Amino acid sequence: NAGVTQTPKFQVLKTGQSMTLQCAQDMNHEYMSWYRQDPGMGLRLIHYSVGAGITDQGEVPNGYNVSRSTTEDFPLRLLSAAPSQTSVYFCASGTGNTGELFFGEGSRLTVL
Amino acid sequence: GNSVTQMEGPVTLSEEAFLTINCTYTATGYPSLFWYVQYPGEGLQLLLKATKADDKGSNKGFEATYRKETTSFHLEKGSVQVSDSAVYFCALRDSSYKLIFGSGTRLLVRP
Repeated sequence: NAGVTQTPKFQVLKTGQSMTLQCAQDMNHEYMSWYRQDPGMGLRLIHYSVGAGITDQGEVPNGYNVSRSTTEDFPLRLLSAAPSQTSVYFCASGTGNTGELFFGEGSRLTVL
Repeated sequence: GNSVTQMEGPVTLSEEAFLTINCTYTATGYPSLFWYVQYPGEGLQLLLKATKADDKGSNKGFEATYRKETTSFHLEKGSVQVSDSAVYFCALRDSSYKLIFGSGTRLLVRP
């Protein structure tokens, strides 16, 4: 069972470039989310989805887009990368029953 | 709004020492409370949880008790090991799916 898979693990971008971080889960979870982790700030919620076709903003959504066309996939798009988006990004999925989230291994993004 | 406050780290202990990492929360209603652990280079994984007041979550020798009167969920372990070195996150979940995390506390255990 693969769990939550994120790609790529590492990425370097130049300011203004766009890219997509991929996230896939094979546990049939209805809930999926993206967090960013910055030193001293814990994890901050960017966007989340409670099912296919449904997305909503979290705490820090500016500069990011998401879509949820299938239960399994939840890509995060950076439209025009900025140095402030240098961070480690985590995708997580879960169900409403237990409240537990399952995390991917993270994607480290550097914007120059 | 809802929030979680953790003690700042790093916390440095010798092997077999007693561990406490403080966590307090602010929330309306009756949230569920969690401790997650992040080992170097990995994602977070659930360590333990409690869903109602006075519940005690436990796993791998770690314990935390949901204290509604003090709005706290402190993490404890009686005897830490070098392998416990990691970053520990306290989190709460309200009536929605969303988890709100504290800033994390790094634990370093020396042999």
